[in-house]
Amino acid sequence: EDKVVQSPLSLVVHEGDTVTLNCSYEVTNFRSLLWYKQEKKAPTFLFMLTSSGIEKKSGRLSSILDKKELFSILNITATQTGDSAIYLCAAGGTSYGKLTFGQGTILTVHP
Amino acid sequence: DGGITQSPKYLFRKEGQNVTLSCEQNLNHDAMYWYRQDPGQGLRLIYYSQIVNDFQKGDIAEGYSVSREKKESFPLTVTSAQKNPTAFYLCASSIIPTGNSPLHFGNGTRLTVT
Repeated sequence: EDKVVQSPLSLVVHEGDTVTLNCSYEVTNFRSLLWYKQEKKAPTFLFMLTSSGIEKKSGRLSSILDKKELFSILNITATQTGDSAIYLCAAGGTSYGKLTFGQGTILTVHP
Repeated sequence: DGGITQSPKYLFRKEGQNVTLSCEQNLNHDAMYWYRQDPGQGLRLIYYSQIVNDFQKGDIAEGYSVSREKKESFPLTVTSAQKNPTAFYLCASSIIPTGNSPLHFGNGTRLTVT
């Protein structure tokens, strides 16, 4: 059975801190790992990673995939209160429609 | 603006009643999905559809039914057979019917059954 595990499940930091969110996966015929940010309603897409060791960046967010050790990390530098959200990790294999999601990490950034 | 519209935002029902959640997209996406979100469990796939008039069960399809009569629409019916229907339901779509395209999500419907 496919499985995605995120850690920590929740994290409280202050503005300006740097955070690292973790995602490990076991997915049959793995093809890609995706990160989403969810603020109360619709999850919004952040990154899709398919190759090991290649960092993807968007502003203060970055992510990298390790296909040998079966994990990914999402880094957020200089956190802001607007970064407070649930961060979801999902892994996809070759089965159609089969994105397996982790439990999510609840990030709270205090001023 | 293209997007996915779910309605209603909040829905309250009595136990034993069927209820239908609406999902409409104007992104011209072929694939559509229904996920259920419970606290501490992430998102779980209920049903998905690659093309009009075709749909497949996901991991937790029992007690749910769907239809895909139009490309734009993928309604979900929560039947009285669903033992624990209170949850947050998210509809999504993707541009191509693979398991690895980024999903675009609607704003969700929060269903409460008492």
